[in-house]
Amino acid sequence: AQSVTQLGSHVSVSEGALVLLRCNYSSSVPPYLFWYVQYPNQGLQLLLKYTSAATLVKGINGFEAEFKKSETSFHLTKPSAHMSDAAEYFCAVSAAAYNQFYFGTGTSLTVIP
Amino acid sequence: NAGVTQTPKFQVLKTGQSMTLQCAQDMNHEYMSWYRQDPGMGLRLIHYSVGAGITDQGEVPNGYNVSRSTTEDFPLRLLSAAPSQTSVYFCASTRGGYNEQFFGPGTRLTVL
Repeated sequence: AQSVTQLGSHVSVSEGALVLLRCNYSSSVPPYLFWYVQYPNQGLQLLLKYTSAATLVKGINGFEAEFKKSETSFHLTKPSAHMSDAAEYFCAVSAAAYNQFYFGTGTSLTVIP
Repeated sequence: NAGVTQTPKFQVLKTGQSMTLQCAQDMNHEYMSWYRQDPGMGLRLIHYSVGAGITDQGEVPNGYNVSRSTTEDFPLRLLSAAPSQTSVYFCASTRGGYNEQFFGPGTRLTVL
């Protein structure tokens, strides 16, 4: 079975500060992991994905995530927060054989000027 | 390429009414899914399809029906709306395997 846990439903950072959004996964098979962003009143947009090619994955808008199998983690980071990064972020895991996605409960990021 | 489209954007129903949420994709994706999004609960899978004519239940299927007569369309039917079905509904599609899902803009449904 697959699942993800996102620690912290709300995270606040100052503009220019490091962004760290946490995601831990559980998977009975090699996982495929994704981060999505949702801006207010919009659908979900892919930020980045891990598909076993490289453990450090770079995405759009300066975000990156590192797959750590020993810690079953896939945390999302950005070195310097921008006001436009304020949004809801979702981590998701997929077992490719079944192609079902399991989403975390989301983390709302607030950027303080 | 319109991607994944959903109609309507907003809908208000009375308890007991039925309606169909429309979803279409023009990317020739085999896999399509319906999710509902509720505060603090993330996205929960309602139903999914792995190809035309093939559908299956997700985590929260009760009160919803789906069908997939074509690759492009995957409508979601609410049989008898209840206030507990007030939510934002998202349709998504994917090529499958390790590929990402593409999401529509959502339908915001209120059941009074």
